[in-house]
Amino acid sequence: GENVEQHPSTLSVQEGDSAVIKCTYSDSASNYFPWYKQELGKGPQLIIDIRSNVGEKKDQRIAVTLNKTAKHFSLHITETQPEDSAVYFCAPGFQKLVFGTGTRLLVSP
Amino acid sequence: GAGVSQSPRYKVAKRGQDVALRCDPISGHVSLFWYQQALGQGPEFLTYFQNEAQLDKSGLPSDRFFAERPEGSVSTLKIQRTQQEDSAVYLCASSSQGWHTEAFFGQGTRLTVV
Repeated sequence: GENVEQHPSTLSVQEGDSAVIKCTYSDSASNYFPWYKQELGKGPQLIIDIRSNVGEKKDQRIAVTLNKTAKHFSLHITETQPEDSAVYFCAPGFQKLVFGTGTRLLVSP
Repeated sequence: GAGVSQSPRYKVAKRGQDVALRCDPISGHVSLFWYQQALGQGPEFLTYFQNEAQLDKSGLPSDRFFAERPEGSVSTLKIQRTQQEDSAVYLCASSSQGWHTEAFFGQGTRLTVV
């Protein structure tokens, strides 16, 4: 089955800094690459996704880059804000989403 | 409704008891997913419906777990003879088309087996 790893597992930054989270996967058939944000007591919420025919996608302060050859994709958050503090999951998939182990992001004011 | 609704939000069950967890997806959404999330872990896939058809149940951990979506809208996840290792948050998600379109998650049902 799909093996999904995220790094780092925790990330602490100062407000205004950038944050980068990397996701590696094993299934070369994966063709959909979303990132989810989960706040305490809530379900995951999609923040950005990318498909296998695109290398990069940006939405305001958030971007995702994909390297299919190396089987990894990354989440980039610029100008971080305290409300960005949450757990972030990658969930690459082919016929179902397989979630990574998560990255806890803490943004300090 | 505005989003995916799950009930109950919290459920405490005695070991050996049967439980039923309900999911009301976004109206008109074709696809429905169930995930299990243990404390401090990422969600793990349980099963997937397209309308009323259960297309993938490969993630159900044992034959004590059963899911249905008889009319292609509301879904129920049933767990028979609950065990302590079943304690987790059970998440439901729906999407307008297939698995590769945006999935909207409910808040989950936290099941505690004592």
